[in-house]
Amino acid sequence: EPEVTQTPSHQVTQMGQEVILRCVPISNHLYFYWYRQILGQKVEFLVSFYNNEISEKSEIFDDQFSVERPDGSNFTLKIRSTKLEDSAMYFCASRENVDRGAFFGQGTRLTVV
Amino acid sequence: ELKVEQNPLFLSMQEGKNYTIYCNYSTTSDRLYWYRQDPGKSLESLFVLLSNGAVKQEGRLMASLDTKARLSTLHITAAVHDLSATYFCAVDNTGTASKLTFGTGTRLQVTL
Repeated sequence: EPEVTQTPSHQVTQMGQEVILRCVPISNHLYFYWYRQILGQKVEFLVSFYNNEISEKSEIFDDQFSVERPDGSNFTLKIRSTKLEDSAMYFCASRENVDRGAFFGQGTRLTVV
Repeated sequence: ELKVEQNPLFLSMQEGKNYTIYCNYSTTSDRLYWYRQDPGKSLESLFVLLSNGAVKQEGRLMASLDTKARLSTLHITAAVHDLSATYFCAVDNTGTASKLTFGTGTRLQVTL
């Protein structure tokens, strides 16, 4: 069964460093998302991406965040200068169309120290 | 802004009992999804509800959607320990890329 894959599964970084989280969505999907979940808390929307551009972004997704789809398969989230409060599980998701549910990757646990 | 609330936030129930989790949302939408999350794991899709009155069942779980009341329910029948997890509802925001807005989650603990 096709799945969304994310790498790395766990990343530890020092405050102020840049990180890139990588995702390979399901191949025929058109809509891509990043969400994050601080331990034990709600799943928060960060950004949606469709037709090679950002469709919507949340207040969390400030100038420190960016997304790219550099080729036909990868979808990346970059955090330019990490803060302690960026520590969370980051989930990538994709969906085929708006009448289908979103499929989530296994997540990248980001720890900022 | 779309708000999605679930109750209860935490539910401890004995095996064999029935219970219902509620999901209320604040603005019009006719697409709602239920997900399950085990500790430290990803979100697993359980149900996709795409219209008013939709009802889906899988094993001991049954989900329904009332778009007029802006309410979805997840009913658990004769709970078993394996159902212990956190359950999230998510509402489609019907925007350009239809982001999902998640509820607060209900942590279900089924005791033996």
